[in-house]
Amino acid sequence: DIVMTQSPDSLAVSLGERATINCRSSQSLLYGRTNKNYLAWYQKKPGQPPKLLIFWASTRESGVPARFSGSGSGTDFTLTISSLQTEDVAVYYCHQFFRAPWTFGQGTRVEIK
Amino acid sequence: QVQLQESGPRQLKPSETLSLICGVSGASVTSGSFFWNWIRQPPGKALQWIGNVYYRANPTYNPSVRSRVTISMDTSKNQFSLKLTSVTAADTAVYYCASSTYYFDRSGYPDYWGQGILVTVSS
Repeated sequence: DIVMTQSPDSLAVSLGERATINCRSSQSLLYGRTNKNYLAWYQKKPGQPPKLLIFWASTRESGVPARFSGSGSGTDFTLTISSLQTEDVAVYYCHQFFRAPWTFGQGTRVEIK
Repeated sequence: QVQLQESGPRQLKPSETLSLICGVSGASVTSGSFFWNWIRQPPGKALQWIGNVYYRANPTYNPSVRSRVTISMDTSKNQFSLKLTSVTAADTAVYYCASSTYYFDRSGYPDYWGQGILVTVSS
């Protein structure tokens, strides 16, 4: 299985400040035939299904605020929230859909400092 | 836009079989454009992909549950289902169905999700 490791496990950031979440995969998620990284980021709030934020490692889903951005390639990826808002308090998961079984990171909890 | 809704029993006893249905609207389960997934989240734990099915293809399962799981389609009702046998307390989780779009030669990312259903296994 491809192991997804996120860091940190939790993060407290002041309103308006930057939040950065890292995700490392145990194998490259770059598929040569498409030249895409099979990595997505989700936001999870209690009682709600996961919300897709970023796919192909860096493509923002329609309707997602521009303060969310994704970067990285191969095995190292980053989700950045450029200016944290109160509604961003949530758990964030990276997810690889490159090879079955699909796997998720353990999650990073983002809170307001 | 694809809409998904999970349904099924919410309380089970150990050793029973979990059976959930995901009703699909806005797309056909027979469409070659989508994979149909089951994903769960135990309380306080991370998301876990259970498996998926694609029309006229064999389902793909997570090895961690492969011996106990069946994912199938009911094309006449435009829905797909999850069966998990011999459940234990470790199978207590919120179960989500989700669609992912076929891309190039495999599935893409899960983009549409149901609201989820909490299934509790307890004696």
